[in-house]
Order: sequence, then structure tokens, then C-alpha cells
Amino acid sequence: SAVISQKPSRDICQRGTSLTIQCQVDSQVTMMFWYRQQPGQSLTLIATANQGSEATYESGFVIDKFPISRPNLTFSTLTVSNMSPEDSSIYLCSVGGQDQPQHFGDGTRLSIL
Amino acid sequence: AQRVTQPEKLLSVFKGAPVELKCNYSYSGSPELFWYVQYSRQRLQLLLRHISRESIKGFTADLNKGETSFHLKKPFAQEEDSAMYYCALSQHNAGNMLTFGGGTRLMVKP
Repeated sequence: SAVISQKPSRDICQRGTSLTIQCQVDSQVTMMFWYRQQPGQSLTLIATANQGSEATYESGFVIDKFPISRPNLTFSTLTVSNMSPEDSSIYLCSVGGQDQPQHFGDGTRLSIL
Repeated sequence: AQRVTQPEKLLSVFKGAPVELKCNYSYSGSPELFWYVQYSRQRLQLLLRHISRESIKGFTADLNKGETSFHLKKPFAQEEDSAMYYCALSQHNAGNMLTFGGGTRLMVKP
């Protein structure tokens, strides 16, 4: 399976600031996704990162808050904007393809003070 | 809308005992079901997918469309099986996006 590198692995940020999380894959992949895992909770899909076009967001998530880029088939970024303590979560990148199961990165543990 | 339910947040068993982690789903189409596992300090990783019909680390799971279930079973639990287990559902017509259950923490006691 593809090797997924996610950076940073963790960060502590001040409220009101923004953080960009990077996801790099060692091979071209069709699908890239971003999930959020709030403390003690399961994973929730934020959006599907579409190469060359705007991301597809799930209900409850908006582009202004979570802008996503996907400039090519091996890289994507998720920005968490104007952070508040409620954004403290683990953010995970995953990759997959048609008929291929998703594989996950290590995640980014984000704490907002 | 699709939904995945794992009724037990915590399951504690003794080593050598059988294990069954329950997963029920609701989805009007033809789903694909997965079990993912997260060991302590490790990334989330795929354990099983229903279409593979294989046994991984002694675990099996059978899709029961009549009961809309995909329970994970192992006849003899090992201490190294202690982890967080997530059941997930994929919709083929939605780009393979996953819907996760709430997760079950399995603790295998010596």
C-alpha cells in the first residue's frame, strides 16, 4: 500500500490562528480524504480532496473554515482556519481508489489554547 | 443516510476467550464493510474487508445482509489484540468515502 506522510505530527496553536497540514503520498492515488477525530470520538469525514478542482465537503464543514488544496495526485493540504478550542482534534489524511480500501496517515494532533 | 453502530464502547475479555465485536449498519444500497484497528501509538490500519473473505490475525467477519451486521470474531483472544476497533462502511457510488462507527476498545486481560 501507499506510504503516507503527514506533517506536522502535532502542534499547539493560539486561538484565532490558522494551521496548514500536509499529506504526501509516495505514489499517485485517485482519492484523498481528510477526516477529523475529536477527543474520545470516532472519525468524521471532512471532505474529499479532488485533484484540480474544489474539494467536496461533508455536511457541517465549509471551505472557509477548512480550505483544502490538491495540486497533484500525490499531495494535499488541509488548513484549519481561525482556530478555536473546539478545533482541538486529530486530523487524518487517507488515500484510496475505486475498489481500493482507504489507508491512513499517522494524523496530526492539534491543540488550541 | 448511512449509519454504522458499534454498541459496545469497551469490551474486556480474558486471554484465550472468544471475542465478538458487534457492528450494525443501515444503508439502502449495496455497501462494502471494513474493520479498521488502531493499536496503541500506531496509525489506523485496515484489518478486514468483507469482499476479501479472509482471516487476518485470526479475526473473521461475515456480512449478514439480513441482519445488516458485520460482527468481528476471534475464537481465542490474545493480549496483543488489545486495541481500538472501528467498523466502517463505504459507498461505491460516492467515491469510496467511509462512514465510521463509534469504535470499540478491546482489552484482553492476562
